[in-house]
Amino acid sequence: KNEVEQSPQNLTAQEGEFITINCSYSVGISALHWLQQHPGGGIVSLFMLSSGKKKHGRLIATINIQEKHSSLHITASHPRDSAVYICAVRSGGNDMRFGAGTRLTVKP
Amino acid sequence: DGGITQSPKYLFRKEGQNVTLSCEQNLNHDAMYWYRQDPGQGLRLIYYSQIVNDFQKGDIAEGYSVSREKKESFPLTVTSAQKNPTAFYLCASSTWGDGELFFGEGSRLTVL
Repeated sequence: KNEVEQSPQNLTAQEGEFITINCSYSVGISALHWLQQHPGGGIVSLFMLSSGKKKHGRLIATINIQEKHSSLHITASHPRDSAVYICAVRSGGNDMRFGAGTRLTVKP
Repeated sequence: DGGITQSPKYLFRKEGQNVTLSCEQNLNHDAMYWYRQDPGQGLRLIYYSQIVNDFQKGDIAEGYSVSREKKESFPLTVTSAQKNPTAFYLCASSTWGDGELFFGEGSRLTVL
């Protein structure tokens, strides 16, 4: 079993829909990261969080440390949100574990 | 602008050849990393470096080598000993510890 599990693997939505991507992990962590990988392959960091909730524009990330679970929400989805979203956890220092990613397609 | 530059973006190699992927950052980060990405899998750590002239093996270091002669540069050599080198390679950097990761655009290596 992978240390970081994401669901769903693939997600198709209509423009305007509310989207949730889930991440569960099995190790102790110091921080959890949500990353976005564009079709060309480049990755950008969306959030880094260790507790509670963070919001940036239409994106919201939450984490429940006790349940070892995090969610990434996208409100009012748009075709430009189409990308692979990756959850990654840091256990300390350099030790970073990555989920396999969730491929999101938002149709106009 | 500050960031990480990887080159080349695409690379084709014949079996038995070594190739070197370049990674340069101007973010003044101490830590640099090389990851490999295969379809359907999470990123896997090949090598990382905390400081100049020091680097450590990651989970899948066999068949790869690195150097860290300058803070800004962390090149990765894919040697002929790497049995399945066709993959997408990503370089990243961060401040050490729990810093945010910054990624390059990646290099796609195909072995013919």
